[in-house]
Amino acid sequence: QKEVEQNSGPLSVPEGAIASLNCTYSDRGSQSFFWYRQYSGKSPELIMFIYSNGDKEDGRFTAQLNKASQYVSLLIRDSQPSDSATYLCAVNMRGAGSYQLTFGKGTKLSVIP
Amino acid sequence: GAVVSQHPSRVICKSGTSVKIECRSLDFQATTMFWYRQFPKQSLMLMATSNEGSKATYEQGVEKDKFLINHASLTLSTLTVTSAHPEDSSFYICSAREIRTATNEKLFFGSGTQLSVL
Repeated sequence: QKEVEQNSGPLSVPEGAIASLNCTYSDRGSQSFFWYRQYSGKSPELIMFIYSNGDKEDGRFTAQLNKASQYVSLLIRDSQPSDSATYLCAVNMRGAGSYQLTFGKGTKLSVIP
Repeated sequence: GAVVSQHPSRVICKSGTSVKIECRSLDFQATTMFWYRQFPKQSLMLMATSNEGSKATYEQGVEKDKFLINHASLTLSTLTVTSAHPEDSSFYICSAREIRTATNEKLFFGSGTQLSVL
């Protein structure tokens, strides 16, 4: 069974702090990794994607990937109350061209003003 | 960015009735659409992959005769929950892949449909 694991949280951080969200995946052959933000009752919104080992930065968001450890993380700098949401880690476990994602259960983030 | 319209956003129905959910790509053509189901505090679970002009591919454990998927055009896929029962109550979300892209970052989600079966 191919899986994506996340700590369900809730993760609480004060406004302005760095929020660190973690995700592990079971399929060593996975090639592409995604972070989605989902507000309650709404559909997921793509925040970041990463394909190569290392860090990828986009504004206040940094995605980190370590394929050897089968680990991907999302850092949110200068966290804002509007960042409070559930963050879903998604992995394409079926290889390039399949476009099918396996989602983790999500980590609920709460940014305290 | 590209827009995927999904409706209805919420539906309440009696047990035994059928419910149709529509997913439209508004400004791009989508050869492939995906249907997910999400129970409270659970992850999105892929139900089926829908390809324009061909039969949908269902994930293991998903009843194809209960969840009918039609992808008749490059901009429209429908999911019909037949003879719905309370255990079918869930949040259903579609996503669409833009035809010209080769990477997952061009996968766009609809706004979701909350189905409640009484």
